[in-house]
Amino acid sequence: RKEVEQDPGPFNVPEGATVAFNCTYSNSASQSFFWYRQDCRKEPKLLMSVYSSGNEDGRFTAQLNRASQYISLLIRDSKLSDSATYLCVVNRRYGGATNKLIFGTGTLLAVQP
Amino acid sequence: DVKVTQSSRYLVKRTGEKVFLECVQDMDHENMFWYRQDPGLGLRLIYFSYDVKMKEKGDIPEGYSVSREKKERFSLILESASTNQTSMYLCATNPPGQFQPQHFGDGTRLSIL
Repeated sequence: RKEVEQDPGPFNVPEGATVAFNCTYSNSASQSFFWYRQDCRKEPKLLMSVYSSGNEDGRFTAQLNRASQYISLLIRDSKLSDSATYLCVVNRRYGGATNKLIFGTGTLLAVQP
Repeated sequence: DVKVTQSSRYLVKRTGEKVFLECVQDMDHENMFWYRQDPGLGLRLIYFSYDVKMKEKGDIPEGYSVSREKKERFSLILESASTNQTSMYLCATNPPGQFQPQHFGDGTRLSIL
């Protein structure tokens, strides 16, 4: 079982739709959480951090449920430019002095005109 | 903005060659990482370094080595390239402090023939 699990999709949605992605993680020692966005053949880029209280950045809302070990990303009013792969990422301690990012394999979003 | 520069976007090498992938960051970060990304497997950590001349194995270090002679530069070395090392290689860095997100270079797509 993978440490971070995501539905690979694809999610095909029309412009203007609201779409939600979910992610589960198995290691309860995980300390911080992120969503990254990756365009085709490009590097991952940090989209937003995820906090227990929930946080919003424009059309994007992220939620964390530590008890259920579950992370979500909601995108409202989808744009064509939102088409990308969204990576759920968990950060936990790795050895004594540093931390490690564990990546989900990503969820592919395709926004249709 | 963090700038992480990888020496090549595309590279083609032959089986058995020694291959060097270079990564340079301009933010004086202690931590640097090398990943490979393959379809269906996501990003996997090869090696990381949390200081000059320090290195730690990640999840898949076999067939690779690294060098960190200067703080800003982290090199990945394929000692004797094999076809199963054909992949997208991504370098990342993050600032000191626990559980910070990582910032990626734009990747090297390496093909071993």
